[in-house]
Amino acid sequence: DTAVSQTPKYLVTQMGNDKSIKCEQNLGHDTMYWYKQDSKKFLKIMFSYNNKELIINETVPNRFSPKSPDKAHLNLHINSLELGDSAVYFCASSQEPPITDTQYFGPGTRLTVL
Amino acid sequence: GEDVEQSLFLSVREGDSSVINCTYTDSSSTYLYWYKQEPGAGLQLLTYIFSNMDMKQDQRLTVLLNKKDKHLSLRIADTQTGDSAIYFCAESIVSSASKIIFGSGTRLSIRP
Repeated sequence: DTAVSQTPKYLVTQMGNDKSIKCEQNLGHDTMYWYKQDSKKFLKIMFSYNNKELIINETVPNRFSPKSPDKAHLNLHINSLELGDSAVYFCASSQEPPITDTQYFGPGTRLTVL
Repeated sequence: GEDVEQSLFLSVREGDSSVINCTYTDSSSTYLYWYKQEPGAGLQLLTYIFSNMDMKQDQRLTVLLNKKDKHLSLRIADTQTGDSAIYFCAESIVSSASKIIFGSGTRLSIRP
């Protein structure tokens, strides 16, 4: 049983396009996250949602817009893709905000912008 | 500031112990974590330690925390080829909205 799933696994697209990455968790968790991992493996948090409300936005460009239709889903929409957006994007979830609870990560979506 | 630092690479002979080190800057951290990332996969939580503890042992894994020096280490006993991965140190930050800051990851490779 997949706990945190993401689609697609790979995404190759041209500069300037708009794309979305979907994330779903079946753990019943209240908090979900998006992380970006660059080519050097640096992992940085982008957004965090708790009960469908945004609680963390780490100075991510406005081109990135997370959307949480319900507690089990947190999708990431990216407008006007740029070369620097190429990275692996990880979704994660936890029952509580991460101070006291374990985060479970999805398998990642490798985005390549040409 | 919020910063977590690790060395980028570690090479160990199979059967030896691996020690991966990490330093962090935020003294308000409550939990410190070790995550493992295998090639092409997401991050898997290996273990964590609460900031008022000095040591935690879990089978082959031993975590040591020196809060005064803000130094965290992960020791893997009897390292096996399946331990090859990138290991991320992370700290929870209470001072701002609750979030976890990750280190750059240490790539552990195993020599026969």
